Amino acid sequence: AQSVSQHNHHVILSEAASLELGCNYSYGGTVNLFWYVQYPGQHLQLLLKYFSGDPLVKGIKGFEAEFIKSKFSFNLRKPSVQWSDTAEYFCAVNPKYNTDKLIFGTGTRLQVFP
Amino acid sequence: DGGITQSPKYLFRKEGQNVTLSCEQNLNHDAMYWYRQDPGQGLRLIYYSQIVNDFQKGDIAEGYSVSREKKESFPLTVTSAQKNPTAFYLCASSIDPGSLSPYNEQFFGPGTRLTVL
Repeated sequence: AQSVSQHNHHVILSEAASLELGCNYSYGGTVNLFWYVQYPGQHLQLLLKYFSGDPLVKGIKGFEAEFIKSKFSFNLRKPSVQWSDTAEYFCAVNPKYNTDKLIFGTGTRLQVFP
Repeated sequence: DGGITQSPKYLFRKEGQNVTLSCEQNLNHDAMYWYRQDPGQGLRLIYYSQIVNDFQKGDIAEGYSVSREKKESFPLTVTSAQKNPTAFYLCASSIDPGSLSPYNEQFFGPGTRLTVL
């Protein structure tokens, strides 16, 4: 079955540590890729997206993600996290044969301690 | 302010009762979606609608029903047939699934937390 996997379910870091959250998908065709973030008590919001072109995409708040087609991966990175990055992060895939649907991963809860 | 509103924020119902969750958007978006969020399971698509008076089942439509009588509204009814209705429900919208854009970003509402007692 087609799916999106986020292997890190819960990540705990100290401020200034580097972050990398894994995301792998199982679709064989062309895809659009997204990272969404859900801060405590807030709406789910788009962090960054990849449609085509440069596989290294930059998003808001210093986040970036790299699309590696051969590995079916779209890992999220940030060189130095802050306490305010505490949130739940979701990877999502949109198979380009169906422009309507987003398939979400199970999410990664990030806790950053001062 | 443009956006998506969901009401109520918290909802409690007795087992066996149907309940309707509201979703309204003033973004003039054509497409609307309902997701269910459970801990450790991410978001799963319940129903979506690309145009008024039309909607399609998502991955977990059993026990749910929707209507799309107006462009700005997409209410979700959780029926008594839904075996495990307690969850966080998110509504989303996007501008035009039929456009030539490679993808139309989905915008999310604040969610409704439903607890069935």
